[in-house]
Amino acid sequence: QVQLVQSGAEVKKPGASVKVSCKASGYTFTSDGISWVRQAPGQGLEWMGWISAYNGNTNYAQKLQGRVTMTTDTSTSTAYMELKSLRSDDTAVYYCARDLPQWRMDVWGQGTTVTVSS
Amino acid sequence: QSALTQPASVSGSPGQSITISCTGTNSDVGSYNLVSWYQQHPGKAPKLMIYGVSKRPSGVSNRFSGSKSGNTASLTISGLQAEDEADYFCCSYAGSVTLVFGGGTKLTVL
Repeated sequence: QVQLVQSGAEVKKPGASVKVSCKASGYTFTSDGISWVRQAPGQGLEWMGWISAYNGNTNYAQKLQGRVTMTTDTSTSTAYMELKSLRSDDTAVYYCARDLPQWRMDVWGQGTTVTVSS
Repeated sequence: QSALTQPASVSGSPGQSITISCTGTNSDVGSYNLVSWYQQHPGKAPKLMIYGVSKRPSGVSNRFSGSKSGNTASLTISGLQAEDEADYFCCSYAGSVTLVFGGGTKLTVL
């Protein structure tokens, strides 16, 4: 079955970077895109950006431009999201999701908790 | 890009119908038939319930339906069941390969 498995929880200090992985299985990885979505504690969902697993094209939410980088490794069917210059308000659960045509996120990873604290 | 506007909470009794609204602008909801809805239970990942305004993925109950009028999309749940109690988020394509979510609506089944 189609599955996205994310890396484990992270605790980081302000100013550090974090890189979350998302390993896909059960489908042809390069056929679809991956969106990254985060959710701060008790808050709503925030779209962070999208990467094409076919050609690596990316587009990021304006508020994260310059701090976020999304990449893929097609040899291992894994997507990565790196966030730099972490602040306390980056504390959130980070999700990857498969993005199908018509911008539907049909399969989600289990989420990765990133805590930013001094 | 501003978040889409949803009511913070709605409630209904088992068997009733409820509707959750999602208001955007003519730059997102109003311009594209690319609105999706996600259900999220506490501590779980979101689940796709509706896409393309009114299409249901395989396996989603036909009690869930979606519609759109102008800049406002709506999710209707008929025959409310206890397991429908969850948070619901709308999401719209906003052009230039960007998406925007609504703030979320907490559904309580009384």
